[in-house]
Amino acid sequence: GAVVSQHPSWVICKSGTSVKIECRSLDFQATTMFWYRQFPKQSLMLMATSNEGSKATYEQGVEKDKFLINHASLTLSTLTVTSAHPEDSSFYICSAPSDRGGGGELFFGEGSRLTVL
Amino acid sequence: AQSVTQLDSQVPVFEEAPVELRCNYSSSVSVYLFWYVQYPNQGLQLLLKYLSGSTLVKGINGFEAEFNKSQTSFHLRKPSVHISDTAEYFCASTAGTGRRALTFGSGTRLQVQP
Repeated sequence: GAVVSQHPSWVICKSGTSVKIECRSLDFQATTMFWYRQFPKQSLMLMATSNEGSKATYEQGVEKDKFLINHASLTLSTLTVTSAHPEDSSFYICSAPSDRGGGGELFFGEGSRLTVL
Repeated sequence: AQSVTQLDSQVPVFEEAPVELRCNYSSSVSVYLFWYVQYPNQGLQLLLKYLSGSTLVKGINGFEAEFNKSQTSFHLRKPSVHISDTAEYFCASTAGTGRRALTFGSGTRLQVQP
């Protein structure tokens, strides 16, 4: 299958600082990427859709000024959590659609666990 | 909007026993269904998917699922589980095969006991 890589896997930061998470499609081009957030023992909730060369589309209730998304190339999308607070601590997972395997599925990164102290 | 319901939050089962993880979806003109597995602190790995055709879908690791349109279900089954199958399982759906986000169920924790 297609490969999506996230970095960093783990990050611990102080409250008020900003954290950037990278998501790369390693062996295919992704004009669209999806960012999900997963709280402990909960499901994945879509935060935003990242579109290469244009603005991201945010889901209702997600603050676009707090969660900055940049999709500057066909293989890289970044999520920056600005002025992070403890309630932003979560598991962030990116994904990208690929036409491999008949289409429809998303390929997921390994996830990034953010802990805000 | 799509919605997916996983009826069981946890399913304990003994090793080598059969298991079924239940999933129901909201009806749509066309729906595409997926099962993903998540191991601790990792991303999601696709087990299997239903796009069209045969309603019985076989996936990796010995898992299979059956698409039942009349019951709007897509239950995941395995005839004999292993300790290594212990993980979180997510059912997901989308209304098309375009570049669309998936809607996930709440997940089912499969706990295989020796």
